[in-house]
Amino acid sequence: KAGVTQTPRYLIKTRGQQVTLSCSPISGHRSVSWYQQTPGQGLQFLFEYFSETQRNKGNFPGRFSGRQFSNSRSEMNVSTLELGDSALYLCASSLQGVNTEAFFGQGTRLTVV
Amino acid sequence: SQELEQSPQSLIVQEGKNLTINCTSSKTLYGLYWYKQKYGEGLIFLMMLQKGGEEKSHEKITAKLDEKKQQSSLHITASQPSHAGIYLCGAGLIIQGAQKLVFGQGTRLTINP
Repeated sequence: KAGVTQTPRYLIKTRGQQVTLSCSPISGHRSVSWYQQTPGQGLQFLFEYFSETQRNKGNFPGRFSGRQFSNSRSEMNVSTLELGDSALYLCASSLQGVNTEAFFGQGTRLTVV
Repeated sequence: SQELEQSPQSLIVQEGKNLTINCTSSKTLYGLYWYKQKYGEGLIFLMMLQKGGEEKSHEKITAKLDEKKQQSSLHITASQPSHAGIYLCGAGLIIQGAQKLVFGQGTRLTINP
């Protein structure tokens, strides 16, 4: 059974640009959650998608957005990039969301210069 | 997150020694997860606990959930170099009216030969 796949693994962008990250969950999983991980803040919840609908949202500005497709694959978009957006972005895949086992991808390392 | 506190923040132990990492919640727990992370990589799922008093083991790692105390402990027996990494606890918590999977700050474990 394939695991959670995130692409790309590494990304370098310039301030002001936008970026799109992709996450393919485990087959059959309908929930995809996104997290930002930085040394100072740890793992911070961005949002969760379930059956193409955003179900939960963290405390991030509107520059951070996402969507989920009918095959459960999810994308996360960050517009008008800032230096502080440099982080490891992780997605987690689970059957139903909280209270079901959640598996993470390898992450996308975003560097904003 | 502030809702989950892990202790200690870092731990250095001699190979072969036992160790315990604690995770305490300020809110009622709805499922408690333990993950291991190598620096800059994704999170590896270790186990999930759902019921008070539940205890699970995976190889030499045992985790227990004390629901009344809103606390979980992760115990490693006869530690090995392969156990080194960052251990993160995550929990389903009700935050701002929605159930979200949030994480502690992590415990960095170093195993000295």
